Amino acid sequence: DSGVTQTPKHLITATGQRVTLRCSPRSGDLSVYWYQQSLDQGLQFLIQYYNGEERAKGNILERFSAQQFPDLHSELNLSSLELGDSALYFCASSKDSGYMDTQYFGPGTRLTVL
Amino acid sequence: GQQVMQIPQYQHVQEGEDFTTYCNSSTTLSNIQWYKQRPGGHPVFLIQLVKSGEVKKQKRLTFQFGEAKKNSSLHITATQTTDVGTYFCAGRVRDYKLSFGAGTTVTVRA
Repeated sequence: DSGVTQTPKHLITATGQRVTLRCSPRSGDLSVYWYQQSLDQGLQFLIQYYNGEERAKGNILERFSAQQFPDLHSELNLSSLELGDSALYFCASSKDSGYMDTQYFGPGTRLTVL
Repeated sequence: GQQVMQIPQYQHVQEGEDFTTYCNSSTTLSNIQWYKQRPGGHPVFLIQLVKSGEVKKQKRLTFQFGEAKKNSSLHITATQTTDVGTYFCAGRVRDYKLSFGAGTTVTVRA
């Protein structure tokens, strides 16, 4: 158990819909990262927040957005969902945001878009 | 942009044999990390390499960072069924993003 929690574990929805994925980082961690993992794909970095502020952006679509709240939990919002958005979405957290930081991954949310 | 390439994509190993997975970057890395993801699980941090030419061992796993800090390898000796999973390398230049390789998925024949 990494100490990072993600809800829900599974999500099934239809094309065009909007969903919100939630992540609670490990106690004391200030950074939260979001990744997308499609079937047979590696981990695609989406976005990072540090202490409430956006710190780095990766291959995140305009239909996706995220935020980190004062209690440091984070939410990833996915809208106008398409079939290709079906994937595992991982949240990871780290203590700071420096380049030496190691990341602790949550169990993931499996999103299925029908 | 920075890309981290990892080979091979799949590795089928006889139990007891050794194998190596390789990671190559187009740019010099400040550090490289290795993660393991068991089937149905989430990536778990294994190790971080920072110095040029650094070699670190964890039991049967040997991690190496190249002299030019553009490549890395993971060598597993005497493979066991517990080694099954996908091994990812993740390289970082001097920013906040980790760039993950596509992973090497390891299966073991008993």
